[in-house]
Amino acid sequence: DQQVKQNSPSLSVQEGRISILNCDYTNSMFDYFLWYKKYPAEGPTFLISISSIKDKNEDGRFTVFLNKSAKHLSLHIVPSQPGDSAVYFCAASPSGGYNKLIFGAGTRLAVHP
Amino acid sequence: SQTIHQWPATLVQPVGSPLSLECTVEGTSNPNLYWYRQAAGRGLQLLFYSIGIGQISSEVPQNLSASRPQDRQFILSSKKLLLSDSGFYLCAWSGDGNTQYFGPGTRLTVL
Repeated sequence: DQQVKQNSPSLSVQEGRISILNCDYTNSMFDYFLWYKKYPAEGPTFLISISSIKDKNEDGRFTVFLNKSAKHLSLHIVPSQPGDSAVYFCAASPSGGYNKLIFGAGTRLAVHP
Repeated sequence: SQTIHQWPATLVQPVGSPLSLECTVEGTSNPNLYWYRQAAGRGLQLLFYSIGIGQISSEVPQNLSASRPQDRQFILSSKKLLLSDSGFYLCAWSGDGNTQYFGPGTRLTVL
């Protein structure tokens, strides 16, 4: 049973436009959510996170939105750049879970000129 | 600053051979440590985590084991590799917060 789902395996966006990556979760015990970026043959790099007590967190070009009632979060990248092309993973952490993370399957973002 | 190392970077092993992957963390004390595997085209699956020396929790039954002989050292092992053990293995650490920081990974191919 997938507790964290990224239903779009890939996304193609033009340089300069907005990229929106989506993530859904099923477990209401999740209280912390993170986005990671991964290049091939490298470890994931932490991008941005959000606590369940917030509904938005912004860091430069990256903004994460959390809709707890819908159990949905999204990552917005504005403006998108070619260097943003990578696989993006959504992850969720249950409260009291020794910081364990449950990952989605990832979305491959391609930013083209 | 904190740094996490993994070695080897790549490994090709025959079926039935043993395995030992090592992960070390620098610049922090008493981290939580994690082993993940990413199969081809899949997400990251948590295999083991450790909250202290000698304390290992297994998330999924499998052909692998983990050990933490020192505070900042985490080892992933197998006595006999299977074809299905092929994948990209990632070690990660976390401190007091929820964020985990990943190492560069080891690409394991079992033939």
